[in-house]
Amino acid sequence: KNEVEQSPQNLTAQEGEFITINCSYSVGISALHWLQQHPGGGIVSLFMLSSGKKKHGRLIATINIQEKHSSLHITASHPRDSAVYICAVSDTDKLIFGTGTRLQVFP
Amino acid sequence: DAGITQSPRHKVTETGTPVTLRCHQTENHRYMYWYRQDPGHGLRLIHYSYGVKDTDKGEVSDGYSVSRSKTEDFLLTLESATSSQTSVYFCAISGGQGDREQYFGPGTRLTVT
Repeated sequence: KNEVEQSPQNLTAQEGEFITINCSYSVGISALHWLQQHPGGGIVSLFMLSSGKKKHGRLIATINIQEKHSSLHITASHPRDSAVYICAVSDTDKLIFGTGTRLQVFP
Repeated sequence: DAGITQSPRHKVTETGTPVTLRCHQTENHRYMYWYRQDPGHGLRLIHYSYGVKDTDKGEVSDGYSVSRSKTEDFLLTLESATSSQTSVYFCAISGGQGDREQYFGPGTRLTVT
């Protein structure tokens, strides 16, 4: 069993829909990271959080340390949000990655 | 964007040849990482460095070596490339341990024929 599990693996949505991507982990962590990777592109850090909730534009990330679970929400989704979203957790100086959620948003 | 570059960006090489990938940063960050990304596996850590001449192995280090002789450069060497090392390689940097953000380079696509 992977230490970091994401769901769903693939997600399609219509423009404007509210999207949720989930991440569960089984190890102790100091922080959880959400990353974005566009097709053929590099990897960008969206959020790093260790408690509560963070918001940046239309993106919201939450974490529940007790339940070892995090969610990434996208409000008013847009085709440019189409990408792979990766959850990663860290304990000391290394990250452990999930396999990613591929999101496609259609106009 | 964090100042991090990788070279080369694309490389095709034959089985058995040595290959060196370079990661260069201008951020003076202490930590540098090499990952490989393969379908179905996500990103996996190969080696990382926590300072000049200080390196450690990751989960998939077999067949790879690294060197860091100065803060800004982290080299990944495949001593004798194999087809199983065909992958996309990403370098990342961080100012601290796991509770700091990591910034990723653009990636190097390596094909071993």
